[in-house]
Amino acid sequence: DAKTTQPNSMESNEEEPVHLPCNHSTISGTDYIHWYRQLPSQGPEYVIHGLTSNVNNRMASLAIAEDRKSSTLILHRATLRDAAVYYCILKGETSGSRLTFGEGTQLTVNP
Amino acid sequence: KAGVTQTPRYLIKTRGQQVTLSCSPISGHRSVSWYQQTPGQGLQFLFEYFSETQRNKGNFPGRFSGRQFSNSRSEMNVSTLELGDSALYLCASSLDRGRSPLHFGNGTRLTVT
Repeated sequence: DAKTTQPNSMESNEEEPVHLPCNHSTISGTDYIHWYRQLPSQGPEYVIHGLTSNVNNRMASLAIAEDRKSSTLILHRATLRDAAVYYCILKGETSGSRLTFGEGTQLTVNP
Repeated sequence: KAGVTQTPRYLIKTRGQQVTLSCSPISGHRSVSWYQQTPGQGLQFLFEYFSETQRNKGNFPGRFSGRQFSNSRSEMNVSTLELGDSALYLCASSLDRGRSPLHFGNGTRLTVT
C-alpha cells in the first residue's frame, strides 16, 4: 500500500483556519486521497476524499497538489469539536475496504 | 439514515473464552470490514466481506474469523482469547469496494482478563 506522511501534532486557535498537510509521494494514478478523523471514544469519521481536483463539502476542503504527491485538509473555522486525530489515507480501487492507517495528526484547538 | 451499529458496546471476557461481536451496516451498504485498534498498534485491518464472501484478510491469526449474512449484517468471532486481544474492535460499512468512503461504528471495547 502506498504510504502517507503526516505531522504528529498540530495546534490551532478556535475560529481560525487549519491546514493539515499530508505527503504521499508514491501515490498511484488510481489512488483516491481520503481523510478521516477520530474523536476520543468514537470510531473514525469520514471527512472528505478526492482524486485530482480540489473538493469541498460541509465539513472541510481538500486541496490536492497538481502532481498529487501531497494534499492539504482545510478546516475553514476550527471549533473545539474539531479536536481529533486526523488520518490521511490512500484508497485504491482494487484495495476494497482495506485501509492502512498511520499515526495521523493530533489536532489541538485552543479556546 | 441510521449509522453503523455495533453490539455490544463493552465486553469483558476471560482468557481462553471465545467472543462474538455484531455489526449492522448502513442500509444499502454491501461491504463490511473490521478493524482492531490498540494503543500500541493503532488501527489495523482484520477482514472485509462483500456479498457474503471474504474479500480481504489482514495479518491476524486464524482465531479471528468473521462472516456476513445475506442482509449484509456481519459478525466477527475471536476464539481462545488472549490478553493481547483486548482492544477496540471497529466495524465499517461502505457502498461498494471502490472509491466509496468507509463509515465506522463506535466499536466494541473488549477487555480480556
